[in-house]
Amino acid sequence: DAKTTQPPSMDCAEGRAANLPCNHSTISGNEYVYWYRQIHSQGPQYIIHGLKNNETNEMASLIITEDRKSSTLILPHATLRDTAVYYCIVRVAGTGGGNKLTFGTGTQLKVEL
Amino acid sequence: NAGVTQTPKFRVLKTGQSMTLLCAQDMNHEYMYWYRQDPGMGLRLIHYSVGEGTTAKGEVPDGYNVSRLKKQNFLLGLESAAPSQTSVYFCASRERGPQHFGDGTRLSIL
Repeated sequence: DAKTTQPPSMDCAEGRAANLPCNHSTISGNEYVYWYRQIHSQGPQYIIHGLKNNETNEMASLIITEDRKSSTLILPHATLRDTAVYYCIVRVAGTGGGNKLTFGTGTQLKVEL
Repeated sequence: NAGVTQTPKFRVLKTGQSMTLLCAQDMNHEYMYWYRQDPGMGLRLIHYSVGEGTTAKGEVPDGYNVSRLKKQNFLLGLESAAPSQTSVYFCASRERGPQHFGDGTRLSIL
């Protein structure tokens, strides 16, 4: 699976949009981009994933560049409860290899008043 | 709907002791996973299973054994605990969608 690069930490004011970047320059054509977050040592929580089109759900939006070498997770109106470590993961599509996830160290997002 | 349940939540062991961590899921998922997370690091895959009766090694399998005798349960065993195995252990399961994680087991080896 392709490696990802994320900034170690970011700050965001409550109510503002949080934009979390991720570089995955070696991504292959059949690899998805997944985002998870981990709130204060709880189990990771799935947020969103995509292949090449932008995606939106009730939690966030995922913007993937046209060349697929980078992506941005957008939390449109960050709240204090969004303070967490955010992980960007790329994974091969399909069921081969057990669909394993490889976690890096992620981005610690701190939402402040 | 309980999702993924891990037992116990906390445990302290002495070096050389053995124990088994239980992961149970009620979503009828085929795939199950065991990860460990050390301070300041991301999760690392220990072992995983692609269905009842199957197991496979992950990134850091040494010192651990697993069994998947029933589809809903995935057991992680430490035969002879070592201080290096002090960590937080997470279990996850999935079917076609994303992995669902339990709340973790905090294990300390003295």
